[in-house]
Amino acid sequence: GAGVSQSPRYKVAKRGQDVALRCDPISGHVSLFWYQQALGQGPEFLTYFQNEAQLDKSGLPSDRFFAERPEGSVSTLKIQRTQQEDSAVYLCASSSNRGSYGYTFGSGTRLTVV
Amino acid sequence: DQQVKQNSPSLSVQEGRISILNCDYTNSMFDYFLWYKKYPAEGPTFLISISSIKDKNEDGRFTVFLNKSAKHLSLHIVPSQPGDSAVYFCAASEGGGADGLTFGKGTHLIIQP
Repeated sequence: GAGVSQSPRYKVAKRGQDVALRCDPISGHVSLFWYQQALGQGPEFLTYFQNEAQLDKSGLPSDRFFAERPEGSVSTLKIQRTQQEDSAVYLCASSSNRGSYGYTFGSGTRLTVV
Repeated sequence: DQQVKQNSPSLSVQEGRISILNCDYTNSMFDYFLWYKKYPAEGPTFLISISSIKDKNEDGRFTVFLNKSAKHLSLHIVPSQPGDSAVYFCAASEGGGADGLTFGKGTHLIIQP
C-alpha cells in the first residue's frame, strides 16, 4: 500500500482482556518499529524488527507485551491481561533501510483500557 | 530521566514570521537528530534531520541547527504558514542504525493569522 496501515484505529478493552494490534508496513520495507505514545508525551520505543528478526525488544514495558513479524511483512503487537496504564496510542513505523532516520509512521491504534 | 527535552509545550507565532523550536539532549552518544510533525489523529511525519557531523541542514523553509557542545538543536521555519500549525517532536538516535528513536514531549506550534 501507499502508507503504513494500522488496525483497528480504536480499541476499547476491559481490564484483564488480551488485545492484538496489527501493522501493515509499506511493501518491501525491511525495518519495522513499534512505539507507545501516552497522552501528552512523545512516542516511546517498544521494539524493532528487521525482516522477521526481532533485533531489539528493550522497550517492551513488561512480559505482557509481545510482538511478532513471522513473514517479515505484517506485524502484530499483543498485550495480555491489559491494565489501565496500557492506555495509549500504539504507533507502527517502517523503513526501507536499516537506518532509523526518516521512517514512515502509521496513524496508530488508540487503546483505551476500562 | 528524559534524554531529549523540549521545554516549550506550546509556541504561538504570527503568520509570515520565523518559528524557532528548541530541543536539548543529554546523551552524548546521540549522533543523528530528527524533527517530526504531527497533526491530530495522524502519525508523526518526518520533516528534516541532521547528522552530528554537520551543524546545519536546510530544506526549503525548514532549517535545523545543531550545537553539539551545548547539546542543543533548533528548528527554524521561515516564513511560517497556517499549515505549519501542528505538534513538532524532536528525536535522536544512537548510530542511526538498528536503534529506535528517543523522542521529546513535543511543542505545539500555533500559527496565528
